[in-house]
Amino acid sequence: AQSVTQLGSHVSVSEGALVLLRCNYSSSVPPYLFWYVQYPNQGLQLLLKYTTGATLVKGINGFEAEFKKSETSFHLTKPSAHMSDAAEYFCAVSFSGGYQKVTFGTGTKLQVIP
Amino acid sequence: EPEVTQTPSHQVTQMGQEVILRCVPISNHLYFYWYRQILGQKVEFLVSFYNNEISEKSEIFDDQFSVERPDGSNFTLKIRSTKLEDSAMYFCASSWKAGGGNEQFFGPGTRLTVL
Repeated sequence: AQSVTQLGSHVSVSEGALVLLRCNYSSSVPPYLFWYVQYPNQGLQLLLKYTTGATLVKGINGFEAEFKKSETSFHLTKPSAHMSDAAEYFCAVSFSGGYQKVTFGTGTKLQVIP
Repeated sequence: EPEVTQTPSHQVTQMGQEVILRCVPISNHLYFYWYRQILGQKVEFLVSFYNNEISEKSEIFDDQFSVERPDGSNFTLKIRSTKLEDSAMYFCASSWKAGGGNEQFFGPGTRLTVL
């Protein structure tokens, strides 16, 4: 069975500071990994994804994530937080085969302090 | 840019009533999904649908739930007799093809409140 653990339900950073949102996964087969962002009263928007190939993945809005198989991690980073980054972020996993349900983590709410 | 749309944005119903949540997936997508998010909890998979039949469902998706693609554009989720615990945000998603790396595009959600 696949699962996702996000450490920290709330993270606060100062504007301009590094953003680091942690995600660890559990999967018995090679995973596909995603980060989604949810702004208030909106749907889920894909930030980035890892399927195969380069383990450092760049996404929209300056975010990136690195797949580390040895650590079963897929942490999300951004060098410099912007006020508009305040949102909830979900790490998610799926895997090849079948019709690809996505399993989500519990989410991390990012607060950016001016 | 194409997007998934959902109606209504908010539905309030009495316990025991039937509700139908509607979704219009992206037009050339072939795979359709429903997820739900109970307030304060994570997003959970309910069901996937392809070629006019359910391809996978979770244990949440019991006999009270059904899905349908009544025409070429809409994808609906019906809850036959709502319970208080069905109160949640329901997200529809669609993808061009299956395969774990293929992006699912999510709609804005319908907030269902069961009183």
